Amino acid sequence: QLLLQESGPALVKPSETLSLTCTVSGGSISGSSYYWGWIRQPPGKGLEWIGNIHYSGTTRQSPSLQSRVTISVDTSKNQFSLRLTSVTAADTAVYFCARDDISSGWPLDYWGQGTLVTVSS
Amino acid sequence: QTVVTQEPSLTVSPGGTVTLTCASSSGAVTSSSFSNWFQQKPGQAPRALIYSTTNKHTWTPARFSGSLLGGKAALTVSGVQPEDEADYYCLLHYGGARVFGGGTKLTVL
Repeated sequence: QLLLQESGPALVKPSETLSLTCTVSGGSISGSSYYWGWIRQPPGKGLEWIGNIHYSGTTRQSPSLQSRVTISVDTSKNQFSLRLTSVTAADTAVYFCARDDISSGWPLDYWGQGTLVTVSS
Repeated sequence: QTVVTQEPSLTVSPGGTVTLTCASSSGAVTSSSFSNWFQQKPGQAPRALIYSTTNKHTWTPARFSGSLLGGKAALTVSGVQPEDEADYYCLLHYGGARVFGGGTKLTVL
């Protein structure tokens, strides 16, 4: 069974960089049709799509976050990562990683449990 | 940026039928939008229910179905169960980028 697990600091100071990693187990991150994505949810609010990456390095980001977001992949570790620069309190959220699959119509079917990141001094 | 709009809240009686919709500010939702629907209960990660407009995952209960309705994506729940009370989110595809709707809080009462 495919499992995704987010990891990273739970607390980040304003203006600094948020860095998270998603570790994939039970399957390869290098599947040709898979895209690996990040989604976030501020406390008490809705979901926001951040972006995704293919193992080849092709990425897509939300236009509203594009200038601050970098998504990268490390196939040797079966991991992909999120960096969000110049964070503010508005970036406080539960961050989820998830798998998408272009060959089966973009199901976004497997999700990590999420990790809460708080931006505060 | 495209805005995706859902009903903020809906209430349905147990055993009833309810339809949630998902509209795009950039025009009609079509099959090319590859609409997804997710269910989220408090404290849990979202669970995928529908993808590519109409397709169910192996774990999706038969009472959930997806469609296009009047230029919108739609999720219909037939024979609603108490455990269906949750937040529901749609997700639309825009040339590689994705946008979530604001979510619908479904109350079963």
